[in-house]
Amino acid sequence: GAVVSQHPSWVICKSGTSVKIECRSLDFQATTMFWYRQFPKQSLMLMATSNEGSKATYEQGVEKDKFLINHASLTLSTLTVTSAHPEDSSFYICSAVVAGGVTNEQFFGPGTRLTVL
Amino acid sequence: AQSVTQLDSQVPVFEEAPVELRCNYSSSVSVYLFWYVQYPNQGLQLLLKYLSGSTLVKGINGFEAEFNKSQTSFHLRKPSVHISDTAEYFCAVSDKGGGFKTIFGAGTRLFVKA
Repeated sequence: GAVVSQHPSWVICKSGTSVKIECRSLDFQATTMFWYRQFPKQSLMLMATSNEGSKATYEQGVEKDKFLINHASLTLSTLTVTSAHPEDSSFYICSAVVAGGVTNEQFFGPGTRLTVL
Repeated sequence: AQSVTQLDSQVPVFEEAPVELRCNYSSSVSVYLFWYVQYPNQGLQLLLKYLSGSTLVKGINGFEAEFNKSQTSFHLRKPSVHISDTAEYFCAVSDKGGGFKTIFGAGTRLFVKA
């Protein structure tokens, strides 16, 4: 079945540095990928919709310049957290929709735990 | 605009007992409905989905859900739970009309006790 990977699975960084998270669809092509943020014991908060070959669409309240998204190919989207601060510490999850699929089912990556010191 | 309400934040239940996790949604258009499960520090895994047709949907791990259009509900059920079913469960809705944006409920923590 459709598999989505994320790398790294966890990362610890110093305040002020940038962190890149990769999301890959391993066995299918994905024209659309999503990036979510999840705080402890809370639901997923959609941050942005990533479309291959075009600019990402950000949800209201999400800083475009802080959370840079690049969807350069049909199997890879990246999220870069720029100048990270402790409040950016969270669990980041990506998902992908099968290109040409007939339903809106999303396939989720395993998540990336970001801790900013 | 769509919304999803999961009526219970936590559901404790004894092993081998039946369980129902409640979900109500609101939407002005036709929707797809999903239930996902999340184990600690992991991504989401699809349990089942309603696209169209039969209102009773069967999923993995013995779960099933029933779509009730008049009550705008999509409750998840399992006749006999196991310790391993302890996890967070999310109900989600997605507009059939276009785009893939999915709205998630707040989640229900199922805690199965021995």
